[in-house]
Amino acid sequence: EAQVTQNPRYLITVTGKKLTVTCSQNMNHEYMSWYRQDPGLGLRQIYYSMNVEVTDKGDVPEGYKVSRKEKRNFPLILESPSPNQTSLYFCASMVGINSNQPQHFGDGTRLSIL
Amino acid sequence: AQSVTQLDSQVPVFEEAPVELRCNYSSSVSVYLFWYVQYPNQGLQLLLKYLSGSTLVESINGFEAEFNKSQTSFHLRKPSVHISDTAEYFCAVRAYDSSYKLIFGSGTRLLVRP
Repeated sequence: EAQVTQNPRYLITVTGKKLTVTCSQNMNHEYMSWYRQDPGLGLRQIYYSMNVEVTDKGDVPEGYKVSRKEKRNFPLILESPSPNQTSLYFCASMVGINSNQPQHFGDGTRLSIL
Repeated sequence: AQSVTQLDSQVPVFEEAPVELRCNYSSSVSVYLFWYVQYPNQGLQLLLKYLSGSTLVESINGFEAEFNKSQTSFHLRKPSVHISDTAEYFCAVRAYDSSYKLIFGSGTRLLVRP
């Protein structure tokens, strides 16, 4: 089954404690992206990756890092989480260059930073 | 740059009544248009998309949306809603260029009452 898998689904942690949210896709997609969803703001892009070792900032990259060492994985790293990063996070993937196909989303990760 | 406006943050409606969720966008270039649905505690699922061709697109569960270029709108409609349609609906656009960026509206929560 084609899917985007995120882990963990829920996490409560404290300010300053580094955390990583993993994202994996099994569709051999070139493009992957991270979004955060906040009430009244919809989804905003944090980082994206066009392919292995190619990443770039989205609209709200501050406080986040990503890496793309393998095509299937695109982890989101919070080196020193702060309460304003409490949010619902989604990973997405898409086929690739010049595609008009939609993005496929994971089920989300709800982070609470105390 | 593109932007998406969903004017209604919440739409309450009785079961079996018709509904329209409004979406307007702005863009200096042609765009692909999407509606995504998010059921409680789940990720985003593609509901329908407009890529080209017929301006009326339909989903398998009775929703339809019409692309209106002159009014830059892509409103979502259903002639008779069910309790199970209760969810948050997001309109999104992506430009006809090499950018993969998906711009989301702020979402509309459809609340279907018995």
